[in-house]
Amino acid sequence: ELKVEQNPLFLSMQEGKNYTIYCNYSTTSDRLYWYRQDPGKSLESLFVLLSNGAVKQEGRLMASLDTKARLSTLHITAAVHDLSATYFCAPGSGNTGKLIFGQGTTLQVKP
Amino acid sequence: NAGVTQTPKFQVLKTGQSMTLQCAQDMNHEYMSWYRQDPGMGLRLIHYSVGAGITDQGEVPNGYNVSRSTTEDFPLRLLSAAPSQTSVYFCASSSKGQATYEQYFGPGTRLTVT
Repeated sequence: ELKVEQNPLFLSMQEGKNYTIYCNYSTTSDRLYWYRQDPGKSLESLFVLLSNGAVKQEGRLMASLDTKARLSTLHITAAVHDLSATYFCAPGSGNTGKLIFGQGTTLQVKP
Repeated sequence: NAGVTQTPKFQVLKTGQSMTLQCAQDMNHEYMSWYRQDPGMGLRLIHYSVGAGITDQGEVPNGYNVSRSTTEDFPLRLLSAAPSQTSVYFCASSSKGQATYEQYFGPGTRLTVT
């Protein structure tokens, strides 16, 4: 059974600082997704990582995947207030399209 | 394209009542899923479907029924609502033909059971 752990679960940081969110999962998965969720809203897709060593960047966010270590990271560079949200990782399970989600990391960026 | 739509947006039920949460997509996606989101617990998979006529259980299926008679629709039924089913429910769809299997989420239904 696939289990997913994110840490930290809550992150309060100052604008301009860097930080990394970690996503560990328990069984083999060939793809991993990162989503962003704003309060009261649905999920917005950020990254889809499909292979070992995959790295994707969008603005101040960079995601990577190490399938051998069953680890994905979401790195935040020079945080700004607009990045305040909850971030979820979700490895894919099988080829059915279903996802198993981590608990989420709530990021609060203070001016 | 409207994408993934869900109705209603909000619903209040009394314990023991039944209702159906509607989900529809217009992208001709084969895969559809239902998730529930509770505070501090992320999203948990309730049921999913890989195509019309085919459904399977996810992590937390008890108390919910689904059916998939068409590609477009994937309703979620609560037969006898319980306070523990108070949650936000999200429907999602993805394409079998897309290598990423990227899921597209609906806006959600916020359900309160009193």
